[in-house]
Amino acid sequence: NAGVTQTPKFQVLKTGQSMTLQCAQDMNHNSMYWYRQDPGMGLRLIYYSASEGTTDKGEVPNGYNVSRLNKREFSLRLESAAPSQTSVYFCASSAQGPQSNQPQHFGDGTRLSIL
Amino acid sequence: QQPVQSPQAVILREGEDAVINCSSSKALYSVHWYRQKHGEAPVFLMILLKGGEQKGHEKISASFNEKKQQSSLYLTASQLSYSGTYFCGTDQGAQKLVFGQGTRLTINP
Repeated sequence: NAGVTQTPKFQVLKTGQSMTLQCAQDMNHNSMYWYRQDPGMGLRLIYYSASEGTTDKGEVPNGYNVSRLNKREFSLRLESAAPSQTSVYFCASSAQGPQSNQPQHFGDGTRLSIL
Repeated sequence: QQPVQSPQAVILREGEDAVINCSSSKALYSVHWYRQKHGEAPVFLMILLKGGEQKGHEKISASFNEKKQQSSLYLTASQLSYSGTYFCGTDQGAQKLVFGQGTRLTINP
């Protein structure tokens, strides 16, 4: 049972380059999330998709775009990478949103460095 | 609003107890707790719902006081495997969780 799969696991970009982080879940979950994790900052929500066909901004959406391609897949795009976007990115999914009291399942993360 | 966790870090000897607190300035519907080991993904521990019901997971339990907008995680007779960073995620009424900054727990033999 794969759960939440993120690709790639590691990536180094130059400033100004673009890139798409991929995320797929095989648990038939409705809700999906993208977080970034920086030292001492915890997990900060970038974008989320409460259900297929919807996306909403989280706490730190600037510089990112997302696409909920179908129920399984939720991608995160950096159009013009900046050094401030160096971080570890986690994708997560849950059966429903937090008010349904369902846990979030996280992928293994993508470690992204921007030079 | 990001909840505040305290302490930021704690070091224990195996077998000792610890308490990690999570406080919010906004009303909460529920509190989720996760543990993350170094270099790994966060892993779900438990959800605390309104009503103050205490939930347990092995020797880890937690409480939720919705009037004070606070939750506490209790680790009893800590084991080496409990080492990691603990995060609370708060449901403030939107379709998302807002996580605290984390509490790093180190258990020494």
